[in-house]
Amino acid sequence: DAGVTQSPTHLIKTRGQQVTLRCSPKSGHDTVSWYQQALGQGPQFIFQYYEEEERQRGNFPDRFSGHQFPNYSSELNVNALLLGDSALYLCASSTDPGRSYEQYFGPGTRLTVT
Amino acid sequence: AQSVTQPDIHITVSEGASLELRCNYSYGATPYLFWYVQSPGQGLQLLLKYFSGDTLVQGIKGFEAEFKRSQSSFNLRKPSVHWSDAAEYFCAVGARGSARQLTFGSGTQLTVLP
Repeated sequence: DAGVTQSPTHLIKTRGQQVTLRCSPKSGHDTVSWYQQALGQGPQFIFQYYEEEERQRGNFPDRFSGHQFPNYSSELNVNALLLGDSALYLCASSTDPGRSYEQYFGPGTRLTVT
Repeated sequence: AQSVTQPDIHITVSEGASLELRCNYSYGATPYLFWYVQSPGQGLQLLLKYFSGDTLVQGIKGFEAEFKRSQSSFNLRKPSVHWSDAAEYFCAVGARGSARQLTFGSGTQLTVLP
């Protein structure tokens, strides 16, 4: 059983560019959450997708957007990249609703903005 | 809004010694509580979780944690540390009800001496 997978593993972008990160949830999971983990910090919640809709959003600007596909996979898009967007981006999947809030994390995508 | 404090940024223990990592949370009711471990360059692995019931929960790799409502704490313990336990540990809180995001502490880096 494959766990949560993310691509690419590493990415280098220039300020002002746009980036798309991808996530495939664990088999049987229908909910995908995205987190940003800056160096030396704990992960911060960006948003969560369920039934192809953004269900909840953390304190991130509109430059961060996402999408969920019918097969439950998800994309995170970041526009107009800033140096401060350099971080490890983690995807987590879970089941819904309410049985548990246990989230399974992928290995992450390391984004470097220069 | 919920929050998590991990007072110890870095802890060093000798192999075979006992371990306790502290976690304090702020939330208006009984939260869902989690401990995750992150090895270098890896995603997060769930060690254990508390939802309700017995306040002493057992997890993987010989870890346990105790929920103390009166102290708003959820400390992680292990009776005998192994060198492979060296990693970063994150405590997280999830709000009950409609909110599904996890709020993480800033982490505790564990070093294990031979």
